Amino acid sequence: AQSVTQLDSHVSVSEGTPVLLRCNYSSSYSPSLFWYVQHPNKGLQLLLKYTSAATLVKGINGFEAEFKKSETSFHLTKPSAHMSDAAEYFCVVRPDTGRRALTFGSGTRLQVQP
Amino acid sequence: GAVVSQHPSWVICKSGTSVKIECRSLDFQATTMFWYRQFPKQSLMLMATSNEGSKATYEQGVEKDKFLINHASLTLSTLTVTSAHPEDSSFYICSARGGGAGVTIDEQFFGPGTRLTVL
Repeated sequence: AQSVTQLDSHVSVSEGTPVLLRCNYSSSYSPSLFWYVQHPNKGLQLLLKYTSAATLVKGINGFEAEFKKSETSFHLTKPSAHMSDAAEYFCVVRPDTGRRALTFGSGTRLQVQP
Repeated sequence: GAVVSQHPSWVICKSGTSVKIECRSLDFQATTMFWYRQFPKQSLMLMATSNEGSKATYEQGVEKDKFLINHASLTLSTLTVTSAHPEDSSFYICSARGGGAGVTIDEQFFGPGTRLTVL
C-alpha cells in the first residue's frame, strides 16, 4: 500500500521569497516520487521526479526536491517565487511494481503575493 | 514532448443522458491510459486503468457499468458516463503512458481535462 500526505493545503508567499511545499510518503516498496503542477484550466505538468538516482532532484522552472528516506519526505522548494508559480501542486507516489498507478496527494495551493 | 488531448474540454448535459469523453495521444502510442476524477479543490482519484485491446481495470468503488471505458487503439481511449446524474458532475482527466520516439515509456502524460456538468 502507498500513500502521500501534503502537509499544507494552502501556502502563501511573497514574490521573491523562498517556497517550501511539504510532502511525506508511505510505501511498501521503493517508490518513485513526483511533483506535478496544475494551473487553472490547464493539464497537469510534471515538475520533477525521483526514481532512485540522486536524492536531490532538479526540475523545471527552478524547482527542486530532496528525497529523504529516513524522514519519508520529498519536499519541494524554490529559492525565489514568481507570480507565475501560483498554482496547485501535487505530490505523487508510484510503486515500482504491479500496475504502477499514481497515487496523488491532496494538493497544496500556492499563492504568490506581489 | 508528448501531448495528450481531451475532447470536449467542457460539457453540460441533462440528467439521464450519456456523455462520451475522448482522450487521444497525439504523438506517441499509448499502451496504457488512465482515467481520473477530480472534485473541486480536491485531489485526483484514479477511476480505472485501460490497456489497449483489453478490458479496463476499475478501482474499488467505481461502477464499471456507469463509467464505460474503451481503449480500442493505441492513440484513443473513451470514457462514457452513462445515465449521468448531478453527482457525476466533476473534472475528468486522462493520462497516457506508452512509447515511441522521444517518449520515455514509463512516464505518464496528462490531458487538460474535461469539465462535466449534469443538470
